[in-house]
Amino acid sequence: EAGVTQSPTHLIKTRGQQATLRCSPISGHTSVYWYQQALGLGLQFLLWYDEGEERNRGNFPPRFSGRQFPNYSSELNVNALELEDSALYLCASSSTSGVAETQYFGPGTRLLVL
Amino acid sequence: KQEVTQIPAALSVPEGENLVLNCSFTDSAIYNLQWFRQDPGKGLTSLLLIQSSQREQTSGRLNASLDKSSGRSTLYIAASQPGDSATYLCAVRPMEYGNKLVFGAGTILRVKS
Repeated sequence: EAGVTQSPTHLIKTRGQQATLRCSPISGHTSVYWYQQALGLGLQFLLWYDEGEERNRGNFPPRFSGRQFPNYSSELNVNALELEDSALYLCASSSTSGVAETQYFGPGTRLLVL
Repeated sequence: KQEVTQIPAALSVPEGENLVLNCSFTDSAIYNLQWFRQDPGKGLTSLLLIQSSQREQTSGRLNASLDKSSGRSTLYIAASQPGDSATYLCAVRPMEYGNKLVFGAGTILRVKS
């Protein structure tokens, strides 16, 4: 069974540009989560999508947005990039929205903002 | 606000040692606690998930315990191997915030051969 996949693996942008990160969940999983792992800040929750809807959002500005497609894959968009957006962005999926479910993580997209 | 702390921040041990990683959280209102492993530059691998009603979970050489009332969890690794070298992250799922995970900063483990 294929795991969670993310693309691209690395992304280099300049300040002010937009970045789009993509995530494909494990087959059959309907919930997708996005986390940011910035140097010195640890892993922080960004967004949760389930059945195409945004269910919860972390403490991030509105320029962080995303969506979930009918096939449950997801896209994270970061507008007006700032230097501090440089981080590893991890996507996770779970089989349902239930709180008992394990979240399975992808390999991440490393975003560098210059 | 839920906060998760992991001690020690880093640990270096010789191969074969048994070791304990500690995790504490400030709010006991959690659904579950999960231990992850992260290799450098990689994503997270789930090791063990303990539901709030459980006391411990075991997988191979790994054993995790949960004391929800005191806000503590430990990850015990038996007979450590160089391949165990990685960062170990503890995460709780708070009842207040739905399905998000709140992570600790991690323990960097190095097992020397």
